[in-house]
Amino acid sequence: RKEVEQDPGPFNVPEGATVAFNCTYSNSASQSFFWYRQDCRKEPKLLMSVYSSGNEDGRFTAQLNRASQYISLLIRDSKLSDSATYLCVVTSPGALEKLTFGTGTRLTIIP
Amino acid sequence: NAGVTQTPKFRVLKTGQSMTLLCAQDMNHEYMYWYRQDPGMGLRLIHYSVGEGTTAKGEVPDGYNVSRLKKQNFLLGLESAAPSQTSVYFCASSGGTSVTDTQYFGPGTRLTVL
Repeated sequence: RKEVEQDPGPFNVPEGATVAFNCTYSNSASQSFFWYRQDCRKEPKLLMSVYSSGNEDGRFTAQLNRASQYISLLIRDSKLSDSATYLCVVTSPGALEKLTFGTGTRLTIIP
Repeated sequence: NAGVTQTPKFRVLKTGQSMTLLCAQDMNHEYMYWYRQDPGMGLRLIHYSVGEGTTAKGEVPDGYNVSRLKKQNFLLGLESAAPSQTSVYFCASSGGTSVTDTQYFGPGTRLTVL
């Protein structure tokens, strides 16, 4: 089982719609969670951290469910510029503490 | 302020050749990382450094070596390239003292090994 699993998509969503992605992680000891965004053939960039109580940044809302070990990202009023791949990232504690990246969910916003 | 830069952007090697990828950051960050990204897989950590003069192995270090002689530079070397090392290589840096601190990525190097 992969440490971080995401639906690869693609999600094709009309402009202005709301879209949500989920991500599941296998290590119950993971403590920190993030969503990164990666445009086509570009580098990943931090979109937002995910906090236990849930957090919002403009049109983006992130939620964490520790009991079920999943993270979600909700995008409201989607824009063409939201088209990208969204990477779910969790910390993997242990002898080598590191970030573990999901393979990403590809989102295309359709005009 | 360029952030994180990587040289070269593209490279094609033949099996057995060697090369060095250069990563430079101008943010005075302590931590630097090398990742590879392959289709169908998440980014995987090759090596990392927590400060000038220090390096450590990540999860896929075999076939690679690194050096951090200067704080701003982190070099990734392939001594004898293999087709399995065809990938996109990303360097990242972070200013804190934990992997949970925001990592800033360079634009990547696309390497093909024939």
